[in-house]
Amino acid sequence: GDSVTQMEGPVTLSEEAFLTINCTYTATGYPSLFWYVQYPGEGLQLLLKATKADDKGSNKGFEATYRKETTSFHLEKGSVQVSDSAVYFCALFPDILTGGGNKLTFGTGTQLKVEL
Amino acid sequence: GAVVSQHPSWVICKSGTSVKIECRSLDFQATTMFWYRQFPKQSLMLMATSNEGSKATYEQGVEKDKFLINHASLTLSTLTVTSAHPEDSSFYICSARGWGGSRQETQYFGPGTRLLVL
Repeated sequence: GDSVTQMEGPVTLSEEAFLTINCTYTATGYPSLFWYVQYPGEGLQLLLKATKADDKGSNKGFEATYRKETTSFHLEKGSVQVSDSAVYFCALFPDILTGGGNKLTFGTGTQLKVEL
Repeated sequence: GAVVSQHPSWVICKSGTSVKIECRSLDFQATTMFWYRQFPKQSLMLMATSNEGSKATYEQGVEKDKFLINHASLTLSTLTVTSAHPEDSSFYICSARGWGGSRQETQYFGPGTRLLVL
C-alpha cells in the first residue's frame, strides 16, 4: 500500500538557518503530494502541494519539488523564523488513474523548533 | 479561501456521557468528509470517511457504534463519541474534501476538537 516516510524530529535550528525536511513516498502512478503544517494546539493547514512530476510547490518561503525518479518531496526554506516552529506533515493522495483510493496518507510528522 | 470549522474546540465531560462534535465546510460543498484522531506527538489516524447521505466507512479497528458519524448535508458532518471513557480523550480533527475555489479537489482541515474525558 501507499506510504510516506519523513525524517524524524525534532529538528532544532537557529533563526535564519536553512531548512530541509526529507520526505519520500511509495505509491503507484503519480500521486499528488502535499506538505501540511500544524501549529501548537491547532489543526492542519495546507502549506503547499504538487500534483505532477517536476512540479514545484511554494508558499511563505517554503518550497518542495515533486521528484518522480527519487520518489521524494523534500521541504526546504532558505531562512527560517521562530514563527515557523510547528510540526510538518508530508502526505500523498493516490493517483486516481491507478485506482488508488481516496484517502490521504500521512507521514509521521517532523517537529521543527526555531530558536533565536 | 476554503475553511473548515469545528465546534466545540474544547470539551471536558464525565465518563459515560456522549459528546457531539460538529464539522462544517464554509464557502464550499464537501464531496467527502473525514474524521481523524491524533494522539500527542503522533500523526493523524483516519477513523472514518463519509459522504453526504450515506453511511460512513470506518477504518479497521474503529468501533462504529462508539464513534457515530452523521453526514447530514454537503457542508455538515457530526461525530458523536458515545459513552465516552478516559481512553477516548484525544484531539479529533475533521477534514472536508471539495473544490473550495481551487481548480482541483483539495482536502481542507478543521482546527480540531480537544476532548478530555474525566
